[in-house]
Amino acid sequence: GAGVSQSPRYKVTKRGQDVALRCDPISGHVSLYWYRQALGQGPEFLTYFNYEAQQDKSGLPNDRFSAERPEGSISTLTIQRTEQRDSAMYRCASSFGRNTEAFFGQGTRLTVV
Amino acid sequence: AQKITQTQPGMFVQEKEAVTLDCTYDTSDQSYGLFWYKQPSSGEMIFLIYQGSYDEQNATEGRYSLNFQKARKSANLVISASQLGDSAMYFCAMKGDSSYKLIFGSGTRLLVRP
Repeated sequence: GAGVSQSPRYKVTKRGQDVALRCDPISGHVSLYWYRQALGQGPEFLTYFNYEAQQDKSGLPNDRFSAERPEGSISTLTIQRTEQRDSAMYRCASSFGRNTEAFFGQGTRLTVV
Repeated sequence: AQKITQTQPGMFVQEKEAVTLDCTYDTSDQSYGLFWYKQPSSGEMIFLIYQGSYDEQNATEGRYSLNFQKARKSANLVISASQLGDSAMYFCAMKGDSSYKLIFGSGTRLLVRP
């Protein structure tokens, strides 16, 4: 596609449920990032993929968060047993290479009630 | 550790005037990249401009230029001839060669007055 596509755009879930957020990067981009952004703050790094390899997951807050990119293209961020504090905008970005500019998707606004 | 500091939470500028948004950074990497992104009220993150640490010339992209002062570890964004559509949140970010992370500052909210 022309840009990074994320789905769903909005997700409301009950506390304790699992959610899966999807990211479809720009075609040909080997680097993929997941970020979380609280209102009025800058994006906070969660994890990074180079092709299908998850090379940095140091930003994942706890073991309820996981991500995968099995074929080096589409990625899924999964949050298990959601809590209210997980409510935020989750953003995906992709780049052609590790040291080039990253292009962001529109994000998924997650609300845990 | 890498860090980005944006000390201006909010700024005003008159339409058609120039404005400078401050950004300082800290890194122990010799090679790194500096980025600016715009986030309008619609929420998207729009890439504006990039500066490499070894680039001798300041980066420019249309009305955007990056005032890169390596010794001072600053990478200020200059917007010339401000337009009403420039009203947005602006984030400075960096990535060092020793890390995969793109680290963001806390942002500066710019309001362009007509």
